[in-house]
Amino acid sequence: QSALTQPRSVSGSPGQSVTISCTGTSSDLGTYNSVSWYQQHPGKAPKVMIYDVSQRPSGVPDRFSGSKSANTASLTISGLQAEDEADYYCCSYAGSYTVIFGGGTKLTVL
Amino acid sequence: EVQLVESGGGLVQAGGSLRLSCAASGFTFSSYAMNWVRQAPGKGLEWVSGISGSGLNINYGNSVTGRFTISRDNSKNTLYLQLNGLRAEDTAIYYCAKVSATVTKGYFDYWGQGILVTVSS
Repeated sequence: QSALTQPRSVSGSPGQSVTISCTGTSSDLGTYNSVSWYQQHPGKAPKVMIYDVSQRPSGVPDRFSGSKSANTASLTISGLQAEDEADYYCCSYAGSYTVIFGGGTKLTVL
Repeated sequence: EVQLVESGGGLVQAGGSLRLSCAASGFTFSSYAMNWVRQAPGKGLEWVSGISGSGLNINYGNSVTGRFTISRDNSKNTLYLQLNGLRAEDTAIYYCAKVSATVTKGYFDYWGQGILVTVSS
């Protein structure tokens, strides 16, 4: 159960778009579409932003979108806003009722 | 309104034990899988364990297998995590998380506020 691979940090200016990648293997992300993304602000619990690769929960702005190709999932945030600055984690089902997280990506809004 | 409230954390010596609880409300507890996720200080999220709504399907992350035990009492709407043989590297905030499905194959749609476990060596 090695963690999914994410860039440690990304940055962008307000109004720009950023994409965070999440790379797994054929045993997890490459096989299952149970891929989700979580936003975590300092000192707070994580919040789901995307589930099932590209679905947005109610209340999440449509600036957030997700996709997947082979063993890599991506989270794109368009029209960056200051409040988007946070840590982002990808997560994938890995079979046999187990789950694996990515190492996390710190998003800085310049 | 869904609420998840963890309790039972604290300071314990290496080799010791703790039992965490997560009191759930605002949904039909027995219909959903529940999981524990932890976060060491300054580190990322790590999946610890999951249990299906019925309690029949259980699994653990590699780092806690054989030391931690997850369970649930659907009559009390409460999730538990028994932590034995604690190590310094188990120091973390432990989050209780509700899964969107009956088994641990959905996403985590609600999270508790987290409870700190500190293991002194």
